[in-house]
Amino acid sequence: AQSVAQPEDQVNVAEGNPLTVKCTYSVSGNPYLFWYVQYPNRGLQFLLKYITGDNLVKGSYGFEAEFNKSQTSFHLKKPSALVSDSALYFCAVRDISTDKLIFGTGTRLQVFP
Amino acid sequence: GAVVSQHPSWVICKSGTSVKIECRSLDFQATTMFWYRQFPKQSLMLMATSNEGSKATYEQGVEKDKFLINHASLTLSTLTVTSAHPEDSSFYICSASGGANQETQYFGPGTRLLVL
Repeated sequence: AQSVAQPEDQVNVAEGNPLTVKCTYSVSGNPYLFWYVQYPNRGLQFLLKYITGDNLVKGSYGFEAEFNKSQTSFHLKKPSALVSDSALYFCAVRDISTDKLIFGTGTRLQVFP
Repeated sequence: GAVVSQHPSWVICKSGTSVKIECRSLDFQATTMFWYRQFPKQSLMLMATSNEGSKATYEQGVEKDKFLINHASLTLSTLTVTSAHPEDSSFYICSASGGANQETQYFGPGTRLLVL
């Protein structure tokens, strides 16, 4: 069965510091991986995806993620965090046979001024 | 591009009434739409998948007669919560995929339902 794990419920980082939000996956075959962000009382906004190609994927708002096949990870990163980045972040993998997204439990990012 | 809207953004209704939520893809044709439910401080729970012109596929444990889904066109899907009860109160989010980015789901802003 395909699954996604986000081991951290919350990540705290000071503004201006680099941030990492972790995600590991378990799939059969090649993974389609996604990161979404959710602000309070809003839907999910698409940040970036990995389908194939370069392992380093660049997305919206300065975020990037690195696909690491050997470690089955797809960590989200940003070189310099902003207070406005504070939100709930979801990692997801697409089930190729059903087109469904399998979500992680989410990680709350808190950026302190 | 890839904008999805939902209407209404929030609704309060009395127990026993039905509520319809609309999900629209504004700038692409959505061959597939998904309906999710999200409880406070939890991840999204997929309720059903709908393809344009065909019946929705419901996830296990989701009552199809309770949550009616219609996907009549490539830009519109509706979710009707029939005979709503307080336990149906939740945050409902739709997503759509199609067009040039078939593998990516784009999400609506969500609808908060409160049943009194």
